[in-house]
Amino acid sequence: DAKTTQPPSMDCAEGRAANLPCNHSTISGNEYVYWYRQIHSQGPQYIIHGLKNNETNEMASLIITEDRKSSTLILPHATLRDTAVYYCTGSRGEKLTFGTGTRLTIIP
Amino acid sequence: NAGVTQTPKFQVLKTGQSMTLQCAQDMNHEYMSWYRQDPGMGLRLIHYSVGAGITDQGEVPNGYNVSRSTTEDFPLRLLSAAPSQTSVYFCASSYRTGSSQPQHFGDGTRLSIL
Repeated sequence: DAKTTQPPSMDCAEGRAANLPCNHSTISGNEYVYWYRQIHSQGPQYIIHGLKNNETNEMASLIITEDRKSSTLILPHATLRDTAVYYCTGSRGEKLTFGTGTRLTIIP
Repeated sequence: NAGVTQTPKFQVLKTGQSMTLQCAQDMNHEYMSWYRQDPGMGLRLIHYSVGAGITDQGEVPNGYNVSRSTTEDFPLRLLSAAPSQTSVYFCASSYRTGSSQPQHFGDGTRLSIL
């Protein structure tokens, strides 16, 4: 799996877009970029994944740079329930490796 | 669907005791895995299985055994518990090996070894 680098913490105002960056410069050509989050001490929750193209689902958007060395997760209208630790990882799907992630705090 | 179910949710053991952490999924997922998460850290892969009868080691397998006799169940056994195994354990499953489909996680088992 690719090594990833994320800022340890970020704040975002409620209702604004939260943009979470991730550097994965060692990602290989067949590895997807996955984003998960962990609320309190619950099990990680899948958010979104992509290979080359930008992706969007009901939860978030994923922007992957053309060289695939970094990506940004966008939560378009952050709510208090989005307060969590967000993890990005490069993987072919099964063997996930999570670093320490970004602790996102949504401010009322 | 219940998804991925882990039991028990909490457990306290004494050093040297053995126990089995249960994991069951009802999504007919081919791939199942076990992770541990220590305070302030990410997840580390212990063991995984790509189908019934097939298991393999992950990043931190020492002290743990697994078996996969059915598609639904993937128990994790601690043969002789040690304080270093105090952690939160997560089981996960996904549809098919190599499909890039996301993994679904259980709510975890919080294990303390005294």
